[in-house]
Amino acid sequence: GAGVSQSPSNKVTEKGKDVELRCDPISGHTALYWYRQSLGQGLEFLIYFQGNSAPDKSGLPSDRFSAERTGGSVSTLTIQRTQQEDSAVYLCASSQGGGQGNGYTFGSGTRLTVV
Amino acid sequence: DAKTTQPTSMDCAEGRAANLPCNHSTISGNEYVYWYRQIHSQGPQYIIHGLKNNETNEMASLIITEDRKSSTLILPHATLRDTAVYYCIVRYHNTDKLIFGTGTRLQVFP
Repeated sequence: GAGVSQSPSNKVTEKGKDVELRCDPISGHTALYWYRQSLGQGLEFLIYFQGNSAPDKSGLPSDRFSAERTGGSVSTLTIQRTQQEDSAVYLCASSQGGGQGNGYTFGSGTRLTVV
Repeated sequence: DAKTTQPTSMDCAEGRAANLPCNHSTISGNEYVYWYRQIHSQGPQYIIHGLKNNETNEMASLIITEDRKSSTLILPHATLRDTAVYYCIVRYHNTDKLIFGTGTRLQVFP
């Protein structure tokens, strides 16, 4: 596609429920990243996929968070047993990868509200 | 991992040059400096990046000091639409991962 697409754009869920957030990267981009941004804060790195390599999960805040990337394209970020502190905007980005320093293209994000 | 230090906020008059500083005193020789900006309620937007030499594109110029311990992003003629949070980032060696700091909130006023 022309840009990075994220869905849903908004999600309200009850505390304790599981949620899945989806990211469609730019076609041909081998690297995909997830970040989250709490209100008024900077971006917090969560996880990074590069091609077929094992993902860099060093930013995941707890074992309730997981992500997968199927077929080297679409990625799903799953949050289990959501808590109120999980409320944030979850941003996905993709890049050409390969360590060449190409810029990221970000999606518009999914705003998650846990009530 | 090299970290960056930026002022929390800056103001700039419309039509004037906006000069946004960034300190990265622990940067290593093979780490790049990146700049992104985030306009309210949008995802961050790539602006420019560089290693040693000064860089210019249609959006901005990047000036990196000779010792590479600091850099300045220059928006030559700021407009109201340039009001945003500007992030200076050092890219980890041999990866594409970018770690964002808190950035500088630039307010362009009429």
